Amino acid sequence: DQQVKQNSPSLSVQEGRISILNCDYTNSMFDYFLWYKKYPAEGPTFLISISSIKDKNEDGRFTVFLNKSAKHLSLHIVPSQPGDSAVYFCAASPNTGNQFYFGTGTSLTVIP
Amino acid sequence: EPEVTQTPSHQVTQMGQEVILRCVPISNHLYFYWYRQILGQKVEFLVSFYNNEISEKSEIFDDQFSVERPDGSNFTLKIRSTKLEDSAMYFCASGREGYRGSGETQYFGPGTRLLVL
Repeated sequence: DQQVKQNSPSLSVQEGRISILNCDYTNSMFDYFLWYKKYPAEGPTFLISISSIKDKNEDGRFTVFLNKSAKHLSLHIVPSQPGDSAVYFCAASPNTGNQFYFGTGTSLTVIP
Repeated sequence: EPEVTQTPSHQVTQMGQEVILRCVPISNHLYFYWYRQILGQKVEFLVSFYNNEISEKSEIFDDQFSVERPDGSNFTLKIRSTKLEDSAMYFCASGREGYRGSGETQYFGPGTRLLVL
């Protein structure tokens, strides 16, 4: 039951360039979306979120785009920095509760 | 900065044994959660807890699992009779609020890696 999908298990980007991480979902009841970053041996850390009433949310170098018709969201990191190297999880929450459904994660490597 | 802590960091147990995973949520948080991540797979919701009772649980959270907030600071996950497939990283999370107005509603601990042999 893969309601949230991250089809790219890994991504490598040169420092200073843009990183684009993608996420697709299937449940039309999802109305709140988040990105978490996870370093090894640590728990996920909240990065940025977006409500379904918006199509874009920006916070510094991080921007999340939501395309509701395509059930797709993406995280843009620009410029990418070596410290951004981590696993990024997309998560979604339905309007019926507080639990989050996570994707399988994309491992981002930013090459200096 | 306050953080969620979990103990132990690693636990190895024999199949059929009971395990208790412990979490200390951030002190002014009211909502508590357990998630698990089987190696190489997605993070999966197990249960949420508010006002001393379970508010939501997933299909994974069957009768073998229970949660408790025994003393107002700790939040525990008990697995009564572990199975091989319970081997995973277990994350505790806590939040100030239950509504989903902000992703900051859930702060995660570093996890407990459980290995069932």
